Amino acid sequence: GDSVTQMEGPVTLSEEAFLTINCTYTATGYPSLFWYVQYPGEGLQLLLKATKADDKGSNKGFEATYRKETTSFHLEKGSVQVSDSAVYFCALRGLSGNQFYFGTGTSLTVIP
Amino acid sequence: KAGVTQTPRYLIKTRGQQVTLSCSPISGHRSVSWYQQTPGQGLQFLFEYFSETQRNKGNFPGRFSGRQFSNSRSEMNVSTLELGDSALYLCASSLAPGGVYNEQFFGPGTRLTVL
Repeated sequence: GDSVTQMEGPVTLSEEAFLTINCTYTATGYPSLFWYVQYPGEGLQLLLKATKADDKGSNKGFEATYRKETTSFHLEKGSVQVSDSAVYFCALRGLSGNQFYFGTGTSLTVIP
Repeated sequence: KAGVTQTPRYLIKTRGQQVTLSCSPISGHRSVSWYQQTPGQGLQFLFEYFSETQRNKGNFPGRFSGRQFSNSRSEMNVSTLELGDSALYLCASSLAPGGVYNEQFFGPGTRLTVL
């Protein structure tokens, strides 16, 4: 079945460091891929998405490219800020319905 | 436009009791999905409703049930609560199920603690 495997955390970075959070998926066909972010005490917010191979999603300095050949959707940011501290979830939605499959989440802490 | 609202935000129950959680989707959204979030299992899909019909169901026991009303508001019910049901329950709404560009918007969740 469809699934997402996400880099284990927690991740601690200094402000302005480069961020990569790895995400790979298993799915039939061409699923849609998403990154969600969860701040403490809140629900999930959509960070970015990509709906077909080679698409690049981007938002707030974060980017991720849909790589069909490596079944990956790694999240990157060139220079993290303290306000980026949150839990990040990679997710896919298969072709057959509206069900999302989430990774286990990666906790990011950015220190000044 | 108001976001997805969930009530209550926090609940404490004891084993064996039952609980009902409520979700009001964004105005105009007709699809509602429920997820259980725990530290050990992460986010797991419970079920999805559209036009008062359950369209999809995750791998949870029959103690977990839900429904959707004609105004798209949804409730989920957990009967005979177990300690392992302690979790954050998230509701998400979207315009309709499926569709490549269909985005889900999440509510803040209901934190359920079972003692």
